[in-house]
Amino acid sequence: EAGVAQSPRYKIIEKRQSVAFWCNPISGHATLYWYQQILGQGPKLLIQFQNNGVVDDSQLPKDRFSAERLKGVDSTLKIQPAKLEDSAVYLCASSLDHFPARTDTQYFGPGTRLTVL
Amino acid sequence: TQLLEQSPQFLSIQEGENLTVYCNSSSVFSSLQWYRQEPGEGPVLLVTVVTGGEVKKLKRLTFQFGDARKDSSLHITAAQPGDTGLYLCAGYRTYKYIFGTGTRLKVLA
Repeated sequence: EAGVAQSPRYKIIEKRQSVAFWCNPISGHATLYWYQQILGQGPKLLIQFQNNGVVDDSQLPKDRFSAERLKGVDSTLKIQPAKLEDSAVYLCASSLDHFPARTDTQYFGPGTRLTVL
Repeated sequence: TQLLEQSPQFLSIQEGENLTVYCNSSSVFSSLQWYRQEPGEGPVLLVTVVTGGEVKKLKRLTFQFGDARKDSSLHITAAQPGDTGLYLCAGYRTYKYIFGTGTRLKVLA
């Protein structure tokens, strides 16, 4: 079974530029997550989709970050314009929607390391 | 606001030693998961505990969920260099998982 795919793996941009990340979850997984992980810290949830609907985006900086999940499969996360503090690893994860959800397993992709100069 | 605090933040030990990592919160969680993350990769799930007081073992790793479901511990017996990595706890609350601050473990051969 193929895992969660993310691209690009690395990205370096200047502040105020725009950037987009792509995620392809495991086939059949209803829930998709985007996390931001600052170096050495735990991941912080940015947005959670169930199929193509948003479940939680309470920690997404909506003035600069946007995300969409087309047709309930692939997803893109965009930052426009980027700030220095956006330097981090952006992780995508997906889960099958096991019931109850509290026992669901999240499968993570390798992440995209973003450096903002 | 970080709801889950892990301690210690960093740990460097010799091969064969035992260690315990703690995950603490003032909030109650429906379940708690432990992940291990290696450099350049995403976290990988090790275990899920759901019942207060529950203990699960995975080879040399022992996981315990606190009776009040506010804290958890991970104990590693006879650590090996392959155990090196970032250990993360994640508590399930209000329909999402909240990750802890992380414990970076290095096991020296």
